[in-house]
Amino acid sequence: GNSVTQMEGPVTLSEEAFLTINCTYTATGYPSLFWYVQYPGEGLQLLLKATKADDKGSNKGFEATYRKETTSFHLEKGSVQVSDSAVYFCALSDRAGGFKTIFGAGTRLFVKA
Amino acid sequence: EAQVTQNPRYLITVTGKKLTVTCSQNMNHEYMSWYRQDPGLGLRQIYYSMNVEVTDKGDVPEGYKVSRKEKRNFPLILESPSPNQTSLYFCASRDGTGRDEQFFGPGTRLTVL
Repeated sequence: GNSVTQMEGPVTLSEEAFLTINCTYTATGYPSLFWYVQYPGEGLQLLLKATKADDKGSNKGFEATYRKETTSFHLEKGSVQVSDSAVYFCALSDRAGGFKTIFGAGTRLFVKA
Repeated sequence: EAQVTQNPRYLITVTGKKLTVTCSQNMNHEYMSWYRQDPGLGLRQIYYSMNVEVTDKGDVPEGYKVSRKEKRNFPLILESPSPNQTSLYFCASRDGTGRDEQFFGPGTRLTVL
């Protein structure tokens, strides 16, 4: 079945550091890929998405590229801010899986001033 | 404003006392889900509904019931709560295509003593 694996946290960075959170997936079809962010005390909200191979999703300085050859969708940001501290979830959804969304375990990011 | 609402936001109850967590969305979405979030496990789907009167089990349905009598509402029912159902619960909705994002409610933190 479909699955998502993302790097364990927590990840602790200083402000303005470069961020990478790794995400790899297993899917039988051609999934859409998502990154969701959860700020403290809130529900998840979509950060970015990509619906086909080689697509790059981007939002708020975050980027992720859909790599079918390596089945990866790594999240990157060039310069993190304290306000980026949150939990980040990689997820996929595809027709073969009945469009059910599968989430990774989440990676908590702490950014220090 | 497009949103998913849940009530209550916090609930402490005792083993065996039936409870209902309500969920409502104002986006006319066909697809609605309930998830539970536990540390280290990410989000796990409890039940989902593809449309009115159409519901199905997710990955962890034991001990839960749902109903979908109206498109906007999708309540989660715990007939006889147990301590292992202590968790953070999220309701989510999206339109019919799996390529689009899910919209999450703010969460309900449930403690079963």
